[in-house]
Amino acid sequence: LAKTTQPISMDSYEGQEVNITCSHNNIATNDYITWYQQFPSQGPRFIIQGYKTKVTNEVASLFIPADRKSSTLSLPRVSLSDTAVYYCLVGDATNDYKLSFGAGTTVTVRA
Amino acid sequence: GAVVSQHPSWVICKSGTSVKIECRSLDFQATTMFWYRQFPKQSLMLMATSNEGSKATYEQGVEKDKFLINHASLTLSTLTVTSAHPEDSSFYICSARTGEKLFFGSGTQLSVL
Repeated sequence: LAKTTQPISMDSYEGQEVNITCSHNNIATNDYITWYQQFPSQGPRFIIQGYKTKVTNEVASLFIPADRKSSTLSLPRVSLSDTAVYYCLVGDATNDYKLSFGAGTTVTVRA
Repeated sequence: GAVVSQHPSWVICKSGTSVKIECRSLDFQATTMFWYRQFPKQSLMLMATSNEGSKATYEQGVEKDKFLINHASLTLSTLTVTSAHPEDSSFYICSARTGEKLFFGSGTQLSVL
């Protein structure tokens, strides 16, 4: 399983853009990069997934450089309700797709 | 996105009893489901991989006789914590795979007295 490294915590203010970078140096050819959000006492919620280049949906963007050894989750104009733990996961979707959770990044949004 | 339903949301039981947790994929069929546990302020730890119609694959250090997993259909997997003890108290979360994506249940908080 590819190991991921993320910052432990990040602070931001309402209305700002938050960028969280995840390192996954030993990512394999079949691995997808997926980001999840987790609030206390809840299961992780799918945010976005990508394989290469850039992916954008209604809540976030995911930037993946050509070497795929890192990825950056971008949350535009965060609000207080975006305070949560964000996990970057890398897994082989063509295989059993076991995902190993790292420590995640605790994002705290202040007014 | 796809919906994964997990029940119960919380359960309190006496030491020595068994507890069953259900995980259902509501609008898709999941050939593979996963079970995690999470302690306070910690990350999720994968316990086992559950494939429909076959025995579950447990991660190292997870007792298969303690944590019984059944995946009898493409939409249902169950985790039974047998002879629960206080150290089994934790937040248990399931996930179900559809294509290249995993969707998670809302979790079950187990408290063993």
